[in-house]
Amino acid sequence: LAKTTQPISMDSYEGQEVNITCSHNNIATNDYITWYQQFPSQGPRFIIQGYKTKVTNEVASLFIPADRKSSTLSLPRVSLSDTAVYYCLVVPSNTGNQFYFGTGTSLTVIP
Amino acid sequence: EPEVTQTPSHQVTQMGQEVILRCVPISNHLYFYWYRQILGQKVEFLVSFYNNEISEKSEIFDDQFSVERPDGSNFTLKIRSTKLEDSAMYFCASSVGTVNYGYTFGSGTRLTVV
Repeated sequence: LAKTTQPISMDSYEGQEVNITCSHNNIATNDYITWYQQFPSQGPRFIIQGYKTKVTNEVASLFIPADRKSSTLSLPRVSLSDTAVYYCLVVPSNTGNQFYFGTGTSLTVIP
Repeated sequence: EPEVTQTPSHQVTQMGQEVILRCVPISNHLYFYWYRQILGQKVEFLVSFYNNEISEKSEIFDDQFSVERPDGSNFTLKIRSTKLEDSAMYFCASSVGTVNYGYTFGSGTRLTVV
């Protein structure tokens, strides 16, 4: 399984764009990159998933370079309610569907 | 938006007692999972369940654990004889398919073993 590395914590002011980068040097050809958000005492919530290039939804954008060894989650104009832990996961398609969560990035949005 | 529902939200039990954690997955989902998160630690995979049988399980999921889908809507996790170290948040999740679909997690059951 590809290991992921992401910053332990980040701070940002309200209204700013936040970019959280995750490295996954050992990503395999069939692996997907998935990001989850978790608030305290709640279950993780799916944010976005991609395979390559750029994916955008109503919540975030996910940028994946051609070599796929890293990915960047971009949160536009964060608010205080975006304070949470963000997890980058590499999901292998050929070993079933369990997810391995790392330590995540604890994002604190400051007023 | 469809939800995964877990009950109870908090359970306190004595060491050695059996507990059953209950989950109602999203109705058209086919894959079901249990994860746990010890306070301040990572979210850890326990087991996945598909087509009425376990498809994968981690080393945490030993003989003290079992899962069941008793009636086509509920999905339960049973811990036969709880230990202090079983104290954690337990999250149920479900998905329509495999890797191309994100999971939907429930809000969790906080299990406290005393």
